[in-house]
Amino acid sequence: DTAVSQTPKYLVTQMGNDKSIKCEQNLGHDTMYWYKQDSKKFLKIMFSYNNKELIINETVPNRFSPKSPDKAHLNLHINSLELGDSAVYFCASSLGTRELFFGEGSRLTVL
Amino acid sequence: QKEVEQDPGPLSVPEGAIVSLNCTYSNSAFQYFMWYRQYSRKGPELLMYTYSSGNKEDGRFTAQVDKSSKYISLFIRDSQPSDSATYLCAEGRPGGSEKLVFGKGTKLTVNP
Repeated sequence: DTAVSQTPKYLVTQMGNDKSIKCEQNLGHDTMYWYKQDSKKFLKIMFSYNNKELIINETVPNRFSPKSPDKAHLNLHINSLELGDSAVYFCASSLGTRELFFGEGSRLTVL
Repeated sequence: QKEVEQDPGPLSVPEGAIVSLNCTYSNSAFQYFMWYRQYSRKGPELLMYTYSSGNKEDGRFTAQVDKSSKYISLFIRDSQPSDSATYLCAEGRPGGSEKLVFGKGTKLTVNP
């Protein structure tokens, strides 16, 4: 009964490839997020969607494109992967409160 | 100056010790304060949150906020090996969860 689930958990790919990470939440929340956690554990918001509408778009290269087909799903597509994209990507959700519920993360390694 | 500063540690203590974890912040607009715990290879989970200066207790955990000094702390009493994790402070501005700014996290190891 995972509340926020992301797939895949691990991704190893070559520079220049395109990859997607999927996220689904079954909590009935209306806001979903993508966070990036680098090797030093720094957690930084990338995007936020509320009811399928983009509300936060931090300074992220436009190679990163989020897509929210419905309130329960938020996917992240990354084009032309670079070495610096290697990180753990966390999906999270909330229901108009301050508490974020995070998924277990998708560990991306770009070779 | 970064908005939220947190000593990354690592911090290693014996079982039963009192642990003190700290963050400072620079933005006076922050109005609510949280501590998240992150076990290795897992997502962060909310441990405590508070909106006001003062102390808030929950079992062995106490969150302390001093808005005048822009300083927040998390105290863990009678620390257990199961408390070994990375602890992230987070500060939020009005507008909801999307306004959260996280510290870099402090890695804590409690040795049996």
